[in-house]
Amino acid sequence: GENVEQHPSTLSVQEGDSAVIKCTYSDSASNYFPWYKQELGKRPQLIIDIRSNVGEKKDQRIAVTLNKTAKHFSLHITETQPEDSAVYFCAAKVGGSQGNLIFGKGTKLSVKP
Amino acid sequence: DVKVTQSSRYLVKRTGEKVFLECVQDMDHENMFWYRQDPGLGLRLIYFSYDVKMKEKGDIPEGYSVSREKKERFSLILESASTNQTSMYLCASRLQGAPNYGYTFGSGTRLTVV
Repeated sequence: GENVEQHPSTLSVQEGDSAVIKCTYSDSASNYFPWYKQELGKRPQLIIDIRSNVGEKKDQRIAVTLNKTAKHFSLHITETQPEDSAVYFCAAKVGGSQGNLIFGKGTKLSVKP
Repeated sequence: DVKVTQSSRYLVKRTGEKVFLECVQDMDHENMFWYRQDPGLGLRLIYFSYDVKMKEKGDIPEGYSVSREKKERFSLILESASTNQTSMYLCASRLQGAPNYGYTFGSGTRLTVV
């Protein structure tokens, strides 16, 4: 079955720097890749997603890139702010309209003022 | 705005008790999911349901069961709670076949079994 590996498990950056979180997946049929942000004590919330027919997607300070050949995708956060501190989860959807999301283990991002 | 509501934010139960965790969504979503979240282990799928009366085992179903009698409600049952079931439990829902396939999560129930 699908397996999603996420790195690093923890990431600490200075405010204003960029942060990059990387995920790899195993099932070449995966076609949808969302990213979730979970602030301390809160629910995971979808922040950006990308489909397999697109290589890059941006939304203000966050972007996601997808390399289907290498089967990896990355989250990029530019000009980081303290409120970006959270746990970030990547996921991949296995094939089919009812395919479940397979989640990475999460990255705890700390942005130091 | 889609709402997924979990009935309890915090629960403390005794070993051996039967525990019910309730999840209700208000957006007519067909698919519903139960995860547990533990430090270093991420989100692990316990059970899921693609529609009313349907249920499927996830990756870690042992010690759990579920009930989906109505479309909006998905209940997780711990038949006989044990201390290793102390965890954060997250419910999620999704519109079947939605363009983005993303899940909407509830706020979680932190269960402590003593």
